[in-house]
This record gives sequence, structure tokens and C-alpha cells, in this order.
Amino acid sequence: QKEVEQNSGPLSVPEGAIASLNCTYSDRGSQSFFWYRQYSGKSPELIMSIYSNGDKEDGRFTAQLNKASQYVSLLIRDSQPSDSATYLCVNNDMRFGAGTRLTVKP
Amino acid sequence: DAGITQSPRHKVTETGTPVTLRCHQTENHRYMYWYRQDPGHGLRLIHYSYGVKDTDKGEVSDGYSVSRSKTEDFLLTLESATSSQTSVYFCAISARQTATNEKLFFGSGTQLSVL
Repeated sequence: QKEVEQNSGPLSVPEGAIASLNCTYSDRGSQSFFWYRQYSGKSPELIMSIYSNGDKEDGRFTAQLNKASQYVSLLIRDSQPSDSATYLCVNNDMRFGAGTRLTVKP
Repeated sequence: DAGITQSPRHKVTETGTPVTLRCHQTENHRYMYWYRQDPGHGLRLIHYSYGVKDTDKGEVSDGYSVSRSKTEDFLLTLESATSSQTSVYFCAISARQTATNEKLFFGSGTQLSVL
């Protein structure tokens, strides 16, 4: 079992909708999580980090961490076609999930 | 952009030959990582380094070795390449000076094909 599990999708949402990406983890000792975005053929780039239970908002992005249930999620509000990419969940041991491919349709 | 360079960018080799990939950084970051990326698997950690000559295994280390003789260079070696090692390889660096300073900066990747 991978330390970090993600539904590989693909996930398709219409432009302007909320995209919800989820991740579960097995190591209860994980302290922090990160969301990376990777466009096709490019390197991953960090978009959000979260260190404590609850929500963290940054513009159109909201990261949620629930340590009791061992899941992490990323919400993208007002989704844009430019958000179409693969989103990767990572724990503080730098272990990545398989990634979820998101397509936002105009 | 973080100063991180991978070489070569592309390589085609034959089964059984040795291959070395290089990662070079100019950020003086302590941590360096090697990942491979394959469809359906995301990024899988091969090896990482937390200082000069300090390395440790990741999730998929079999068939790979690493060396870090200088802060700026982290080498990944496939002693005898196999077709299952055909992949995109990414190097990443991180300062990790504090619990909230763990951002990974990635190189551009190396596409390796083993025929």
C-alpha cells in the first residue's frame, strides 16, 4: 500500500464549477501535506501546503486536512480551462500519490 | 526559477548498459531527491540525500544507486539498465530548514528509454 493514495481519475468538470480532489494517507505520523500541479510534459509545481487540521484558503484554492480520518482534499473554485492538469498529493516524507488528472471543459 | 539542472534531457540506451543521470543545483539546498514518473504511478521516490555522502533509499530503489560527493551534485546510476527502467526521471531539491520550509523545486526531467 502506498503511503499516499489518490483516485487517478480522470476528473472532468465544466468551467466555473468546483473541482474536488481527494487524497488519503496511511501514516498517522504525517504532519503536513502539499498539493502540486503538473501540466502535461512539465515539472510539478507547488500550489498549496497545509500543516494543521482544518481549511486553508489561497485565492480559488482551498486545502483541507482531516487527521482523524486521514484524508486531504483540494477544492478549486470557479474552475478554468487553465486548471486542467494533474494534481499530486504529497506528504512530508516527500511521498507522492499517483495524481488525479483534471480536465476543465469550456 | 530555482537553479536546478538535469542532464541529459533525453537518453536512449540498450539493456544491460550502465547509465548515469546528473542533477546539479546552485541553491545550496541540503536535500536532493530522485523520482521516476510512470503512467498511473505518479512520482515514486528512488533515493534521496540529506547531505554530502548522506543518502537513503526510497520506495523503488532496486536497480539504482546514488552518490553525492558535493552539495551541488546528485548522481543517479543504473548499473545495468533494464526495459522496466524506461521512465521520466525528475530530480528535486528542498531546503527543509524548518518544518514549514519543505517546498520541492523540480528539474526539467530526463526521458530515459531502455531498448
